[in-house]
Amino acid sequence: QVQLVESGGGVVQPGRSLRLSCAASGFSFNNYVMHWVRQAPGKGLEWVGTIWYDGSNKYYADSVRGRFTISRDNSKSTLYLEMNSLRADDTAVYYCARDLYRHSSSWCDYWGQGTLVTVSS
Amino acid sequence: EIVLTQSPATLSLSPGERATLFCRASQTVSGYIAWFQQKPAQAPRLLIYDTSNRATGVPARFSGSVSGTDFILTISSLEPEDFAVYYCQQRSSWPSWTFGQGTKVEMK
Repeated sequence: QVQLVESGGGVVQPGRSLRLSCAASGFSFNNYVMHWVRQAPGKGLEWVGTIWYDGSNKYYADSVRGRFTISRDNSKSTLYLEMNSLRADDTAVYYCARDLYRHSSSWCDYWGQGTLVTVSS
Repeated sequence: EIVLTQSPATLSLSPGERATLFCRASQTVSGYIAWFQQKPAQAPRLLIYDTSNRATGVPARFSGSVSGTDFILTISSLEPEDFAVYYCQQRSSWPSWTFGQGTKVEMK
């Protein structure tokens, strides 16, 4: 079955960096567009960014563009989110999610359990 | 940015009752609306996509529709496991997705 397992979250000081990983299994990772979505404590969902199945295209929310970078290693079936210049308002649970369709972007149909990132001094 | 406004913020109902949740977009979204269910300490779950298509494994009591500018999620008869927060999402303004603020369906 499809599984997505995030890791790498923790407490980090403002201005520092952190890299999240999302290990995928149970499907052909290299055929699917992948997404990152976050949720601040007690708040709603916010799309962070998307990477094409082959890594050729990447898209970011305005709130993270220039600070966050999405990448993937299809040989390891792993998705990454490199977060730089972290701010207090980046504090959230970060979810990775698989797209519904192969080779295109549509909806998030499988989600990981999330990893909590807390930005605090 | 397309803003999605969900109403009501909270819906207090009993098991067996019908739940009707609304999502209104600030601009046309051409039917590109999805609905997610989220329970405490769990990831969101895709219920409905493209206005009215049920995702795999979603019970038939969940349905999506549109009326004018309002997208609607209907739960025909609430089961105990349906009490949760529900979010709508649009992908019309790709590559900029937005979510509604959520509707909490709580047990009366």
